[in-house]
Amino acid sequence: ELKVEQNPLFLSMQEGKNYTIYCNYSTTSDRLYWYRQDPGKSLESLFVLLSNGAVKQEGRLMASLDTKARLSTLHITAAVHDLSATYFCAVDGSGGSNYKLTFGKGTLLTVNP
Amino acid sequence: EPEVTQTPSHQVTQMGQEVILRCVPISNHLYFYWYRQILGQKVEFLVSFYNNEISEKSEIFDDQFSVERPDGSNFTLKIRSTKLEDSAMYFCASKYRANQPQHFGDGTRLSIL
Repeated sequence: ELKVEQNPLFLSMQEGKNYTIYCNYSTTSDRLYWYRQDPGKSLESLFVLLSNGAVKQEGRLMASLDTKARLSTLHITAAVHDLSATYFCAVDGSGGSNYKLTFGKGTLLTVNP
Repeated sequence: EPEVTQTPSHQVTQMGQEVILRCVPISNHLYFYWYRQILGQKVEFLVSFYNNEISEKSEIFDDQFSVERPDGSNFTLKIRSTKLEDSAMYFCASKYRANQPQHFGDGTRLSIL
């Protein structure tokens, strides 16, 4: 059974600081996704990482994937309040015609002024 | 931009009653999913649907659950006899191809009394 672990689960940051969220997963997968969820809202796709060494950047967020280490990171640069949300990594490890996602528990990010 | 739409946004039902949650996936998408998220917890996979049939279901998706795609546009989740523990946010998602992210609807908050 595929397991996805994120840490930290809670992250309180000062504006302007940098930090990294880690996502480890237990079985081989070449597809990893990062989603953002605002309170009471849906899941917004942030990044799709499809191969070893993939790096994607959007604004103050950068995601990377190391399939050999089964690790993805979401790096936050110079955090701003608008980044406050819950961030989920999700792994597609099923293959075939399923492509179901297994989610981590999420990281609740709070950026303080 | 096309989006996944879900109705209703909030459903309150007495325990033991049947409930149908409705979703309209993005029109050219081929893979369809239901997930649920109990308040404060991670997103859990329920069922995937491809080529007009269930391709995978989780342990949560027992005999009380069923899905249908009755008319080529709607995708429904039915719970026959609801239990208190079915209270959760239910998300519908769809995708077009394997290497693309799943697009999530805004969810239906199901409250069982």
